[in-house]
Amino acid sequence: EAQVTQNPRYLITVTGKKLTVTCSQNMNHEYMSWYRQDPGLGLRQIYYSMNVEVTDKGDVPEGYKVSRKEKRNFPLILESPSPNQTSLYFCASSQGLALTDTQYFGPGTRLTVL
Amino acid sequence: QKEVEQNSGPLSVPEGAIASLNCTYSDRGSQSFFWYRQYSGKSPELIMFIYSNGDKEDGRFTAQLNKASQYVSLLIRDSQPSDSATYLCAVHNQAGTALIFGKGTTLSVSS
Repeated sequence: EAQVTQNPRYLITVTGKKLTVTCSQNMNHEYMSWYRQDPGLGLRQIYYSMNVEVTDKGDVPEGYKVSRKEKRNFPLILESPSPNQTSLYFCASSQGLALTDTQYFGPGTRLTVL
Repeated sequence: QKEVEQNSGPLSVPEGAIASLNCTYSDRGSQSFFWYRQYSGKSPELIMFIYSNGDKEDGRFTAQLNKASQYVSLLIRDSQPSDSATYLCAVHNQAGTALIFGKGTTLSVSS
């Protein structure tokens, strides 16, 4: 089954404790992206990757890191989480960003930082 | 940075009615447009995309695009309670590096 998986699905942590949210896709997609979704603010892009070893900042990259060592994986790293990073996070992938390329979303990770 | 605007709603329609969801965008160079549906606490799922002026139909859904007016809409015919969700409009950014999402319109279909 074609899918994007994320782990963990739910996480409660404390300020300053490093964490990683994993994202994996099995569709051989070139493009991957991380979003956060907050009430009233909608979906905002954190980082994206056009292909392996190529990553770049989105609209809200502060406090986050990513890496793309393999095509299928695109982990999101919070080196020192803070309460304002409490949010619902989505990973997404697509073949590219051509006119008809569809982004497929993972199930989401609900993060709470105390 | 292009912007995508949607009325937040809620838009309330009775079962069986037509629901009309609207989206405007600021970048006249935008070429393709996507409609996603998102149930509360779930991930967005694609309904359809459109990139040519006019209408595109898929089952009960019709997307309409008017590039001159920078306007894209989604019509849902014979609305069902299961259509109750938030509908997100999205467009590619000018650099071709991201989808820019509107904040979504919440649709409520009453039985």
